[in-house]
Amino acid sequence: AQKITQTQPGMFVQEKEAVTLDCTYDTSDQSYGLFWYKQPSSGEMIFLIYQGSYDEQNATEGRYSLNFQKARKSANLVISASQLGDSAMYFCAMREGPGRAAGNKLTFGGGTRVLVKP
Amino acid sequence: DAGVIQSPRHEVTEMGQEVTLRCKPISGHNSLFWYRQTMMRGLELLIYFNNNVPIDDSGMPEDRFSAKMPNASFSTLKIQPSEPRDSAVYFCASSLESGLKSLYEQYFGPGTRLTVT
Repeated sequence: AQKITQTQPGMFVQEKEAVTLDCTYDTSDQSYGLFWYKQPSSGEMIFLIYQGSYDEQNATEGRYSLNFQKARKSANLVISASQLGDSAMYFCAMREGPGRAAGNKLTFGGGTRVLVKP
Repeated sequence: DAGVIQSPRHEVTEMGQEVTLRCKPISGHNSLFWYRQTMMRGLELLIYFNNNVPIDDSGMPEDRFSAKMPNASFSTLKIQPSEPRDSAVYFCASSLESGLKSLYEQYFGPGTRLTVT
């Protein structure tokens, strides 16, 4: 079974509108972490936001927020007030394991391509 | 501050040749990761080092691939002999493993685009 599933291969969003990127995950661990990365056309991978499985609050970083629904095993990324520079591939990733013992091994989803229209 | 540095940025080689990719992690980071990205398979973890010791190499595709980390500031990924199916973007990433959640993120280098003809 896929550990990280991103069901939206691509989507358009109007500039200044919000967009939600879906991510569901599969793990039997109680302690895990969820990450979102952005990959623009230039190719680099840019860390956006992190959510720990025991975090009470949803993570936020500027215009990025993570809608964490633990019971549903979903960790959707919300980008508010989209900008043209937000056009990129977005990857959801998960770190499993009890922290130090398992280290920081990440498993990535297939990505969602976002195109922001002016 | 310098981020993760990878070299070369682009590599074109002929099938059968040896290829060596290099990575310098962020100073002070104690974990280093090699990933491969292709259209077909997405982002795959090849190998992961912690404190210069290989922890998980289950993603290394076959014996043609080898990775070393002789010290905290340098790692290599070698493919010998290279094959056309090895064509991909190879990323190196580093992180600092600690008890603080905010330090778990991995910082990626710009990648090496490898083309094997």
